[in-house]
Amino acid sequence: AQKITQTQPGMFVQEKEAVTLDCTYDTSDQSYGLFWYKQPSSGEMIFLIYQGSYDEQNATEGRYSLNFQKARKSTNLVISASQLGDSAMYFCAMREGEVLTGGGNKLTFGTGTQLKVEL
Amino acid sequence: DGGITQSPKYLFRKEGQNVTLSCEQNLNHDAMYWYRQDPGQGLRLIYYSQIVNDFQKGDIAEGYSVSREKKESFPLTVTSAQKNPTAFYLCASSYRGPIYYNEQFFGPGTRLTVL
Repeated sequence: AQKITQTQPGMFVQEKEAVTLDCTYDTSDQSYGLFWYKQPSSGEMIFLIYQGSYDEQNATEGRYSLNFQKARKSTNLVISASQLGDSAMYFCAMREGEVLTGGGNKLTFGTGTQLKVEL
Repeated sequence: DGGITQSPKYLFRKEGQNVTLSCEQNLNHDAMYWYRQDPGQGLRLIYYSQIVNDFQKGDIAEGYSVSREKKESFPLTVTSAQKNPTAFYLCASSYRGPIYYNEQFFGPGTRLTVL
């Protein structure tokens, strides 16, 4: 079974509108972390936002926020006020196991969503 | 400026040749990682290392080898045993922990084409 599922291969959004990118995950661990990365056409991966499994509030970082629904095992990325520079591939990733005790930091990535922002 | 460098950006090799991809970081991170990305796919972990002189196989280690002789460097060798080596290769690093986020920082990548 896929550990990280991103069901939207491509999305279009108009400039200044908000867009939601979906991500569901599968784990039996109680402690885990969820990451979102942006990959522009240049190829480099840029860290956007993080949600820990024990976090009670949804994470926010500027125009990025997460809609974290633990019972449904989903962590959707919301980008508000889209800009042309937001056009990129977006990846959801998961780290399983304890972080604060210095455990491994391996990530499992989804297949990504290609976002295109239009005028 | 601190960061991760990968060289070269583009690499062409003939089939059957081994090739080594370079990855250097000056972020003082203990852990380093190699990922492979194929078109339309996510990243898949090849090898990772949490400390010098120690490394573990990831999900797709067959046909690859690594070394970690220095904290700053984690070179990846794509051997002739790798059946389909043409791909985009990304190197990353992170603190070993315990740190709350502990996100991985990525290099710019090397695009390997085997002719």
